[in-house]
Amino acid sequence: NAGVTQTPKFRILKIGQSMTLQCTQDMNHNYMYWYRQDPGMGLKLIYYSVGAGITDKGEVPNGYNVSRSTTEDFPLRLELAAPSQTSVYFCASSYLGAGNYNEQFFGPGTRLTVL
Amino acid sequence: QKEVEQNSGPLSVPEGAIASLNCTYSDRGSQSFFWYRQYSGKSPELIMSIYSNGDKEDGRFTAQLNKASQYVSLLIRDSQPSDSATYLCAVKESSGSARQLTFGSGTQLTVLP
Repeated sequence: NAGVTQTPKFRILKIGQSMTLQCTQDMNHNYMYWYRQDPGMGLKLIYYSVGAGITDKGEVPNGYNVSRSTTEDFPLRLELAAPSQTSVYFCASSYLGAGNYNEQFFGPGTRLTVL
Repeated sequence: QKEVEQNSGPLSVPEGAIASLNCTYSDRGSQSFFWYRQYSGKSPELIMSIYSNGDKEDGRFTAQLNKASQYVSLLIRDSQPSDSATYLCAVKESSGSARQLTFGSGTQLTVLP
């Protein structure tokens, strides 16, 4: 299993541009998450999904959109990029069922700079 | 606002010593607790999970949970330079958004050869 994969690894955007960060998992996990991590800070939840077709906002959703059309894929869309969105973005997945306690597994991350 | 607090460090210990990392949380009903290790420039890696009061050991790592005092700790015995990393504490809360984890900002650990 490849686990959680993310593309691209690095990206530089100009203010106002848009892009999609890709995330795929092959562990048949039902839950998927997008986090951002600013330097010296913890992880902030942007959006999450509990299954195909179902998404919900996290702590910092403004400026982002997500969709979940399949179990495996959970892309994050940035519209009208702003310097405040410069960060490292991590996708994660977990399997929640009876008795499961949400052990999340992370992808390698996308380092995004908005200039 | 639920909070998870960690000392940011840096915490320095000599090789072979015990490193002790602490985390407190504000939601008394929190159910599950996790420790992630994050090397510089890399993604978080799950190293320990604990759900009941007491100690849980896995190799050189021991997680300790005290729900009454609302703290969870991670002990690393026989610390090695390869343990140098940032350690993130994460808590699954008891609220309706129980699908989410709240992360602390991490403690930076340096193990000196």
